[in-house]
Amino acid sequence: EAGVAQSPRYKIIEKRQSVAFWCNPISGHATLYWYQQILGQGPKLLIQFQNNGVVDDSQLPKDRFSAERLKGVDSTLKIQPAKLEDSAVYLCASSVHRDFEQYFGPGTRLTVT
Amino acid sequence: GENVEQHPSTLSVQEGDSAVIKCTYSDSASNYFPWYKQELGKRPQLIIDIRSNVGEKKDQRIAVTLNKTAKHFSLHITETQPEDSAVYFCAASIVGGQNFVFGPGTRLSVLP
Repeated sequence: EAGVAQSPRYKIIEKRQSVAFWCNPISGHATLYWYQQILGQGPKLLIQFQNNGVVDDSQLPKDRFSAERLKGVDSTLKIQPAKLEDSAVYLCASSVHRDFEQYFGPGTRLTVT
Repeated sequence: GENVEQHPSTLSVQEGDSAVIKCTYSDSASNYFPWYKQELGKRPQLIIDIRSNVGEKKDQRIAVTLNKTAKHFSLHITETQPEDSAVYFCAASIVGGQNFVFGPGTRLSVLP
């Protein structure tokens, strides 16, 4: 089966600019996660969707980050405006349902200069 | 919210020896504990998980133990091989998938 797809793979922007990431989960997976992984740290959950509803967004910096999962399939994560500390790898993962194995995408490496 | 600590942060073992990584968590409501392996430049992959209704689970050279009273769980790798070298992350969450928190990771190096 095809894995989780993410694009772009790399992005370099200046601070205060905007950026968007796209994720296509494995077909049939109801749960979708966005993580931020700063170099040398564990992934930090930003937002979790169950179908097209938000389950957990407690660690999403809502003043600058937003995410949506229209129609319960693809998802986009946006940062506006970006700060230097947003430099990280943004990982998307999906699972059949909550508390089942999460399959991760290749990630998007964001560099904010 | 949940807080997951992981020790050690780095671990070096000789090929064939065993490796043990320990994690503690703070939220007594957590009851799902997966372990992920992340090789350099690659995505995390699940290697084993355990739920709170069992105390131990094994899969070939890998085992996980859980002590809910003490709120800690451990990953055990026996007969380590060079391909086991990676960063290992523990995580904890509440069944239902909320409050999913990863530990900071352990960099395991298996020396030939």
